[in-house]
Amino acid sequence: QKEVEQDPGPLSVPEGAIVSLNCTYSNSAFQYFMWYRQYSRKGPELLMYTYSSGNKEDGRFTAQVDKSSKYISLFIRDSQPSDSATYLCASRGTNNAGNMLTFGGGTRLMVKP
Amino acid sequence: NAGVTQTPKFQVLKTGQSMTLQCAQDMNHNSMYWYRQDPGMGLRLIYYSASEGTTDKGEVPNGYNVSRLNKREFSLRLESAAPSQTSVYFCASRKGTGGRTEAFFGQGTRLTVV
Repeated sequence: QKEVEQDPGPLSVPEGAIVSLNCTYSNSAFQYFMWYRQYSRKGPELLMYTYSSGNKEDGRFTAQVDKSSKYISLFIRDSQPSDSATYLCASRGTNNAGNMLTFGGGTRLMVKP
Repeated sequence: NAGVTQTPKFQVLKTGQSMTLQCAQDMNHNSMYWYRQDPGMGLRLIYYSASEGTTDKGEVPNGYNVSRLNKREFSLRLESAAPSQTSVYFCASRKGTGGRTEAFFGQGTRLTVV
């Protein structure tokens, strides 16, 4: 079993829809949670960063972490075609050497005009 | 700003050939990482260097070696390439190993081993 699980999709939505992307994780030591966005044939770029449980909002994006259920979510409001990409969730603890990130497999999102 | 630069962008190797993937960052970051990305597997850590002069194995180190040449450069070597090493390879760097420090990724190297 992978430490971070993510539905691979693809997820297809119409422009303007609210998108919900989710991950589950199994390692209780994880404290930091991130969402990366990866456009086709590009490297991942950090989109959202959350420490421990709670919500974080940045423009149209909201990240949620529920440590009690080991559940990570990313919500995109008013989705745009430019949001079409693969979204990777990632987690790490505080004591592992090098602070290595553990990634989910990624969810491919397509927003249709 | 260049950020993290990887060379080459594409490469085709025959089984048993060797090659070195190059990575350089111009952000004065201490930590550097090599990941591979395969369909449905996400990014898996091959090796990392927490600081200049140190390297450590990640999740999938077999078949690879690394060199932290200096603070800027971190190379990944395949001594005898195998078809299972066909993948997209990403180099990343971070300012440090603790706290909230963002990881920056390069554009990737697409490697095919035939």
